Amino acid sequence: GAVVSQHPSWVICKSGTSVKIECRSLDFQATTMFWYRQFPKQSLMLMATSNEGSKATYEQGVEKDKFLINHASLTLSTLTVTSAHPEDSSFYICSAPWNGGANEQFFGPGTRLTVL
Amino acid sequence: GENVEQHPSTLSVQEGDSAVIKCTYSDSASNYFPWYKQELGKGPQLIIDIRSNVGEKKDQRIAVTLNKTAKHFSLHITETQPEDSAVYFCAASLAQKVTFGIGTKLQVIP
Repeated sequence: GAVVSQHPSWVICKSGTSVKIECRSLDFQATTMFWYRQFPKQSLMLMATSNEGSKATYEQGVEKDKFLINHASLTLSTLTVTSAHPEDSSFYICSAPWNGGANEQFFGPGTRLTVL
Repeated sequence: GENVEQHPSTLSVQEGDSAVIKCTYSDSASNYFPWYKQELGKGPQLIIDIRSNVGEKKDQRIAVTLNKTAKHFSLHITETQPEDSAVYFCAASLAQKVTFGIGTKLQVIP
């Protein structure tokens, strides 16, 4: 199947700093990518839809100024957590739909963010 | 929006027994139902999926059934093995937007 990578796989930062997470589709192009957040022992919650060449679409309750999304190319989307706080500590996962398979989506391995 | 309910939240089975996880969805427009396996510290991995025009699909020890009328779908794992132990998520999707169930932690006891 198609491969989606994320970088870094884990990051620890101090409160108040910003952290950038990259999501790449390695062997296919993705005009749309999705960002999820997963707290321990919970399900994945969609945060936003990243659109290549246009603004991201955020789910209700997600602060767009705090979670900046940039879909710079057909294979790269970035999520920047600005002014991170301990409550932002979570597992962040991206996904990309594979156009060869209608609705089929492939998920990245996730990024563990810990804010001290 | 779509709402997906999943049960049980935890499931323990003896190795070799079958495991069944059930889900319901609320939006009749959803047309794609993937199942994901997530191991600790990793992203979800697609294990099987079913589209709304199909009632049943099987892949070796894994099968999924869909009842569109009742808006139910289920995952069946036969001959379970210790490596099947993980968290399993059902999901309902429409136009690439995926809504996940709460997850089922499956433990296969050797």
